Amino acid sequence: SQQGEEDPQALSIQEGENATMNCSYKTSINNLQWYRQNSGRGLVHLILIRSNEREKHSGRLRVTLDTSKKSSSLLITASRAADTASYFCATDDSGGGADGLTFGKGTHLIIQP
Amino acid sequence: DSGVTQTPKHLITATGQRVTLRCSPRSGDLSVYWYQQSLDQGLQFLIQYYNGEERAKGNILERFSAQQFPDLHSELNLSSLELGDSALYFCASSPGALGANVLTFGAGSRLTVL
Repeated sequence: SQQGEEDPQALSIQEGENATMNCSYKTSINNLQWYRQNSGRGLVHLILIRSNEREKHSGRLRVTLDTSKKSSSLLITASRAADTASYFCATDDSGGGADGLTFGKGTHLIIQP
Repeated sequence: DSGVTQTPKHLITATGQRVTLRCSPRSGDLSVYWYQQSLDQGLQFLIQYYNGEERAKGNILERFSAQQFPDLHSELNLSSLELGDSALYFCASSPGALGANVLTFGAGSRLTVL
């Protein structure tokens, strides 16, 4: 079952612009992670935010978490062509469900040069 | 190179056949996870092993089975293959079994069933 849902499904912006992707989830979580996947390759971990955190930064990445709304956002600032990839949120279910880390279907981001 | 090694990279086989996918986790990681990625279903969790024992089970079909060996490598066996089993199969590893596990993914095995 899909816990997280990313929005939008696809996003195309100009190089240098900021890109914002959103993730909504359904159940209580321990933490939420964002991963990137280049076409046909393995996923790469970007950032983890715990349920008691509201915002986290890593380089050009900024992640927010609103547990009351069960949502998270990933902001990539000053986008580059190399940021073109699919971005997935993944949740760690605090209910002890046996779902491993549950991924959404992803946002496909295209950075136009 | 993520440190997680998956073989084979590509596999083409026929319906009804059986295949084995292999995964070596990153050095020091005790947990291995298997995921299936297809266009329509997204990334689906199949199963997790921790230090040789099954830890969690997801949407794994009865035709599929997995195990983790004493040297911590893992194999995913897919049998009686159907066209719908065509997908990318990812292995991931993490240090522990619980908690805030960050997964390190392999490059995947692309299975095509004809």
